[in-house]
Amino acid sequence: AQTVTQSQPEMSVQEAETVTLSCTYDTSESDYYLFWYKQPPSRQMILVIRQEAYKQQNATENRFSVNFQKAAKSFSLKISDSQLGDAAMYFCAYRSVHAGGTSYGKLTFGQGTILTVHP
Amino acid sequence: DTGVSQNPRHKITKRGQNVTFRCDPISEHNRLYWYRQTLGQGPEFLTYFQNEAQLEKSRLLSDRFSAERPKGSFSTLEIQRTEQGDSAMYLCASSPSSGQSYGYTFGSGTRLTVV
Repeated sequence: AQTVTQSQPEMSVQEAETVTLSCTYDTSESDYYLFWYKQPPSRQMILVIRQEAYKQQNATENRFSVNFQKAAKSFSLKISDSQLGDAAMYFCAYRSVHAGGTSYGKLTFGQGTILTVHP
Repeated sequence: DTGVSQNPRHKITKRGQNVTFRCDPISEHNRLYWYRQTLGQGPEFLTYFQNEAQLEKSRLLSDRFSAERPKGSFSTLEIQRTEQGDSAMYLCASSPSSGQSYGYTFGSGTRLTVV
């Protein structure tokens, strides 16, 4: 079964600075999807960024970018120009591509990283 | 369509009582998922529907839990004889069957407190 590990329970950053959240995963599959989700306090989880494993190019969405290292099974999230509204719990998640994969159709989440943004 | 809707937002129940939660997915999404999230942890998969068919159920789900999705539209999650350990946030999410790389759309969740 796939596992996702976020080794940083908490991170903090000054407003306008850059922060990187770490994620590693374990899988025997070659094709899969990786995601970062943001969960603000008492609010719903929203998708921040996604990466297809077959793509070598790192995904970017405005101030959010990833560093995807497939061989190392690492998928970190970089937030540039941090804003107060970025404060939230961030989850890394894995999803299998092919039918019959043990996590096909479902996301496997890491434990989460609480990000605090200081003004 | 305003997204995935979950009701109620909060539920407090006494131990031993039955509770039922409802999820209304995005109308054109034929896949629906239930997850459970305890405080400070990542969501854990409970079960998955494609249309009205329940295709996967977590081994973590005891026999006290049951989920339905009649007619492939809304879904209900019932917990019978609730225990204190059932206290958690129950999240519903939906997705289309194609375009898996786009992940899910989550609802706001139902927070269950068993006293």
